[in-house]
Amino acid sequence: DIQMTQSPSTLSASVGDRVTITCRASQSLSSWLAWYQQKPGKAPKLLIYKASSLESGVPSRFSGSASGTEFTLTISSLQPDDFATYYCQQFNTYWTFGQGTKVEIK
Amino acid sequence: QITLKESGPTLVKPTQTLTLTCTISGFSLSPSGVGVGWIRQPPGKALEWLALIYWDDDKLYSPSLKSRLTITKDTSKNQVVLTMTNMDPVDTATYYCAHRDPVDSFDIWGQGTMVTVSS
Repeated sequence: DIQMTQSPSTLSASVGDRVTITCRASQSLSSWLAWYQQKPGKAPKLLIYKASSLESGVPSRFSGSASGTEFTLTISSLQPDDFATYYCQQFNTYWTFGQGTKVEIK
Repeated sequence: QITLKESGPTLVKPTQTLTLTCTISGFSLSPSGVGVGWIRQPPGKALEWLALIYWDDDKLYSPSLKSRLTITKDTSKNQVVLTMTNMDPVDTATYYCAHRDPVDSFDIWGQGTMVTVSS
């Protein structure tokens, strides 16, 4: 089974900061990794698919990258609307989500 | 416009069977490649994928819950149904259905339905 280890679990940041969230897979994946944003009481929203492709309508300050078994979500300049929880998700035989990263106001 | 909406009981008793329905619109369950999945989220915790059904009736289940889950579809009614047997208080969660896109992410989600397991 592929395990996804997401870090950090909580991140305190200010508006304008560059923010990086990481997911590490326990073994090699295809590029089938996605990132989601979730706000309290709402369903998750797809941000990035195939590790680095930006979902339609998502601001360009969000980007994704991959290096081996490490996948990264970057927010280039944190905006007030970006304070939320972020999840990675992989597919390899079945789907697995990371444990989530809560981005909170510093 | 693709939408999904979950429906079902808000409260079930321990040991009972939960039946949830996902009603879809804006797409059909028939075309090649289409898939609808179920994901849940206990209060304050992470997302957990449960099951997915494909257009051709192929099904995938979470290995840890496989023995308790059944997913089916009714193409004529545009519905996907998830049943989970032997409910326990730890199954208390918001249950979401979601549309699988061609690269195996979930691009459209329902609003979710909260299910509480309590006697």
